[in-house]
Amino acid sequence: DADVTQTPRNRITKTGKRIMLECSQTKGHDRMYWYRQDPGLGLRLIYYSFDVKDINKGEISDGYSVSRQAQAKFSLSLESAIPNQTALYFCATSGKQASGGYTFGSGTRLTVV
Amino acid sequence: GQNIDQPTEMTATEGAIVQINCTYQTSGFNGLFWYQQHAGEAPTFLSYNVLDGLEEKGRFSSFLSRSKGYSYLLLKELQMKDSASYLCAVRDDGRIGSRVDYKLSFGAGTTVTVRA
Repeated sequence: DADVTQTPRNRITKTGKRIMLECSQTKGHDRMYWYRQDPGLGLRLIYYSFDVKDINKGEISDGYSVSRQAQAKFSLSLESAIPNQTALYFCATSGKQASGGYTFGSGTRLTVV
Repeated sequence: GQNIDQPTEMTATEGAIVQINCTYQTSGFNGLFWYQQHAGEAPTFLSYNVLDGLEEKGRFSSFLSRSKGYSYLLLKELQMKDSASYLCAVRDDGRIGSRVDYKLSFGAGTTVTVRA
């Protein structure tokens, strides 16, 4: 099993619909992150969390919300999806070791029509 | 905030060497990472530099100069499987109160195409 699991892998949804992307991890890491990736723009941080009671906005949080249901679970919601939220979304985790970087999930390709 | 620049695309021949440069301007710096990402897949860790100098790991090497805000990733003996995007990422250790605010900021990535 993967260390960081994202569901769904692919999703097509209509404008205005609410959608949730889920992330779970078996790494035992406290830190979890949500990024989106767009061609030419790279990975941009949406939200991050350092423990269950801690949620922080990233550089592009507008239109998104998150929930840290447990140490191992971090969900991203689009309350009312719009077409410019079409992107590849990645969940990532990190441990306390500075050199460890991130462990990424396999990504969710979201298309809003 | 962070400003991280790397070239958009590079092309090289199988067996050759390619150097991918990354320049950054940061409000805080505590290390630089390189990731490899094949199309449609998750990024995977390649290297980490926090001190000036060269880190070598097999066919891949990474260099850092903190005073110049500059890093490069060197790929030697290129293979077809090295065709991928390479992401430069800077660790930004801001603070929220007493807590170290660990997160990475990424460049847009460099797409490397290896030709036979």
